[in-house]
Amino acid sequence: DQQVKQNSPSLSVQEGRISILNCDYTNSMFDYFLWYKKYPAEGPTFLISISSIKDKNEDGRFTVFLNKSAKHLSLHIVPSQPGDSAVYFCAASGIGTYKYIFGTGTRLKVLA
Amino acid sequence: GAGVSQSPSNKVTEKGKDVELRCDPISGHTALYWYRQSLGQGLEFLIYFQGNSAPDKSGLPSDRFSAERTGGSVSTLTIQRTQQEDSAVYLCASSTGIGLVETQYFGPGTRLLVL
Repeated sequence: DQQVKQNSPSLSVQEGRISILNCDYTNSMFDYFLWYKKYPAEGPTFLISISSIKDKNEDGRFTVFLNKSAKHLSLHIVPSQPGDSAVYFCAASGIGTYKYIFGTGTRLKVLA
Repeated sequence: GAGVSQSPSNKVTEKGKDVELRCDPISGHTALYWYRQSLGQGLEFLIYFQGNSAPDKSGLPSDRFSAERTGGSVSTLTIQRTQQEDSAVYLCASSTGIGLVETQYFGPGTRLLVL
């Protein structure tokens, strides 16, 4: 049973436009969410996180939105740049636990 | 400072052989994790080490998989009698081991191919 789902395996966006990556989860006990970015042949790198007490967290071009009632989070990248082309994983955990549950990833391609 | 390192970066082996994968965590990080990413799948949790506590092995897929962490630093993941379905990227991560929420820092992974 996939507790964290990224239903779009890939996404293409024109440079300068907004990229929106979506993630859904099923476990209401999750209260901490993260996004990781992964380039080929590299390990995932932490991008941005949000705890359940917030509904938005912003860091430069990256904003994560959390809708707890819908059990949905999204990552917005604006403006998108070609260097943002990578696989993006969302992950969820409970505060005080160490296990992340990862989604299957969305491959973002930003077209120049 | 140095990040998480893993070796080898690539490993090709024959079915039935044993393999050892190594992880060097960030210095001072007491928590260490192993994950596996099979083709088209997300990251699958395998095992977790924290300081001197007993490891959480709940994610190991079979008894052919084992891991140890010597001296609270370097960790080795061993797969015995490899099978073709073991082919995947094996990722190691470490974190400080303190605080209620932890950012995990990943190594580049070991790409294992079992022929």
